[in-house]
Amino acid sequence: NAGVMQNPRHLVRRRGQEARLRCSPMKGHSHVYWYRQLPEEGLKFMVYLQKENIIDESGMPKERFSAEFPKEGPSILRIQQVVRGDSAAYFCASSPPVTGAYEQYFGPGTRLTVT
Amino acid sequence: GNSVTQMEGPVTLSEEAFLTINCTYTATGYPSLFWYVQYPGEGLQLLLKATKADDKGSNKGFEATYRKETTSFHLEKGSVQVSDSAVYFCALSLRNTGGFKTIFGAGTRLFVKA
Repeated sequence: NAGVMQNPRHLVRRRGQEARLRCSPMKGHSHVYWYRQLPEEGLKFMVYLQKENIIDESGMPKERFSAEFPKEGPSILRIQQVVRGDSAAYFCASSPPVTGAYEQYFGPGTRLTVT
Repeated sequence: GNSVTQMEGPVTLSEEAFLTINCTYTATGYPSLFWYVQYPGEGLQLLLKATKADDKGSNKGFEATYRKETTSFHLEKGSVQVSDSAVYFCALSLRNTGGFKTIFGAGTRLFVKA
């Protein structure tokens, strides 16, 4: 059973460009979470999605950031008009529909560098 | 509100030393508790978990006990190895009206010297 997959692993964008980060959850998992991690810092929750629904986006910046998890295909985190402050590691995690403990399984991350 | 507080790092130990990383939480309701580990350049991996009071989670020589009376979930290992060098995150997870909510601590970096 393949784990959570993220691509690309590394992404370089110039200021003002768009960044698209993809996440394929583990097979059978219908919950996806996105986190941002700045160097030497902890994880900051961004958004929680189920298939075709945004459940909790309380951690998403109000502008330039959006996320989706379509019925078919991977979850996408989209950052428009990137700025230097968007440089970070972005991690995706997934969890199965119902678990007793709600543990999450993480992907390897996408490291975004804005030049 | 819900929160997780863990001891600040870095923690530097010699090989075979005893490890404790403190973690305390505040939560409304009855959370599940977790420790995750992050090795350099990688994502987080679940290390161990406990779902109710007095449960002990254990894995790879690491242990943590869910203490409701002290709202704690301290991570321990009797004899650390160089390969244990990583960042350790304490986390809680519980249901809310929007589904599940997981809150992570800030992480504690561990260095183990040979």
